[in-house]
Amino acid sequence: GAGVSQSPSNKVTEKGKDVELRCDPISGHTALYWYRQSLGQGLEFLIYFQGNSAPDKSGLPSDRFSAERTGGSVSTLTIQRTQQEDSAVYLCASRRTQGNTEAFFGQGTRLTVV
Amino acid sequence: GQQVMQIPQYQHVQEGEDFTTYCNSSTTLSNIQWYKQRPGGHPVFLIQLVKSGEVKKQKRLTFQFGEAKKNSSLHITATQTTDVGTYFCAIGAGGTSYGKLTFGQGTILTVHP
Repeated sequence: GAGVSQSPSNKVTEKGKDVELRCDPISGHTALYWYRQSLGQGLEFLIYFQGNSAPDKSGLPSDRFSAERTGGSVSTLTIQRTQQEDSAVYLCASRRTQGNTEAFFGQGTRLTVV
Repeated sequence: GQQVMQIPQYQHVQEGEDFTTYCNSSTTLSNIQWYKQRPGGHPVFLIQLVKSGEVKKQKRLTFQFGEAKKNSSLHITATQTTDVGTYFCAIGAGGTSYGKLTFGQGTILTVHP
């Protein structure tokens, strides 16, 4: 596609439910990132995929969070047993390589846990 | 892991005034990138600095990379209302975390007409 695509754009879920957020990176981009952004806050790193290497999961806040990237392309971020503090915008970004290249961001998924 | 401190957190200016945001690291950086996020939008890449002492300009925006490659700044001359948004710096990790992209906390710029 022309850009990074994320779905859904908005998600309202009840506390305790599981949610899946999807990211479709730019075709051919080997690096994929997930970030979380709370209202008016910075970009909190969650996880990073590079090619077929093991992902860097160092930013995942708890074991309720997991992510996978199938076939080196589409990625899914799963949050189990959602809590109200999980409410935020989840941004996905991709880069052509892991090196000195710019990151392209999707529009994000706004998650609201009620 | 590598971290970068960005200041100030907020900056309110009158249209026409200048604006500067700074990023500082305790370790030497291989490169630094700058992004802009408009209200309600997503971060968009502005520029990348790689060389020690590098200065790059984009119209009214001037980007600098320190001689020791531990700090960087973004300066906007004569701000306009279209400059409103959050400006982030981003650094890449090395070693086993090569490719990990970490962002500063951002500076939220408000421009009063």
